Amino acid sequence: ILNVEQSPQSLHVQEGDSTNFTCSFPSSNFYALHWYRWETAKSPEALFVMTLNGDEKKKGRISATLNTKEGYSYLYIKGSQPEDSATYLCAPGGQGGSEKLVFGKGTKLTVNP
Amino acid sequence: DTGVSQNPRHKITKRGQNVTFRCDPISEHNRLYWYRQTLGQGPEFLTYFQNEAQLEKSRLLSDRFSAERPKGSFSTLEIQRTEQGDSAMYLCASSPGLADYEQYFGPGTRLTVT
Repeated sequence: ILNVEQSPQSLHVQEGDSTNFTCSFPSSNFYALHWYRWETAKSPEALFVMTLNGDEKKKGRISATLNTKEGYSYLYIKGSQPEDSATYLCAPGGQGGSEKLVFGKGTKLTVNP
Repeated sequence: DTGVSQNPRHKITKRGQNVTFRCDPISEHNRLYWYRQTLGQGPEFLTYFQNEAQLEKSRLLSDRFSAERPKGSFSTLEIQRTEQGDSAMYLCASSPGLADYEQYFGPGTRLTVT
């Protein structure tokens, strides 16, 4: 059973703060790592898909890095805004030839104005 | 709107009743996935289709659950003899390719079994 851990479980920051979350997963048989943002009452929104060790991706104020050898990924948000408030989920995919995503429990971010 | 759609958005049913949910994927996507999310957990995989073929089923999918994608387009997920433990958000996603492609999620169907 693939165990995906995300920390912290929840986070409250002030507008303008920068923050980061961690996703850890078993490094063996790794294929791809997905990050999603899920706002209440909306569909989960894909942020990044990363496959290569050392990969770094950026979308606006959000960026992510990947270390497949040690089995972790970081998500960074620079200058948090209230609209960044959401649950951030990571999910390795493709282990053992399966196409399913195995999600962590997520990090719930609240950005206070 | 050309995203993934799911109907109904909310369903309240009594224990023992059957329910059916529908998912319409993005039209050119040949892969369709069902996940279930319960309180405090991340989404958990249930099953997926490549075109009309159901290629993988989770052990979470008991024999009361059945999913179909008859023409390789929309999919239905049926739960027979619902139990209170079936209360969850049921999410559908579609994708154009393998596990390194994004899965595009619908808004989900919230099921409450009373």
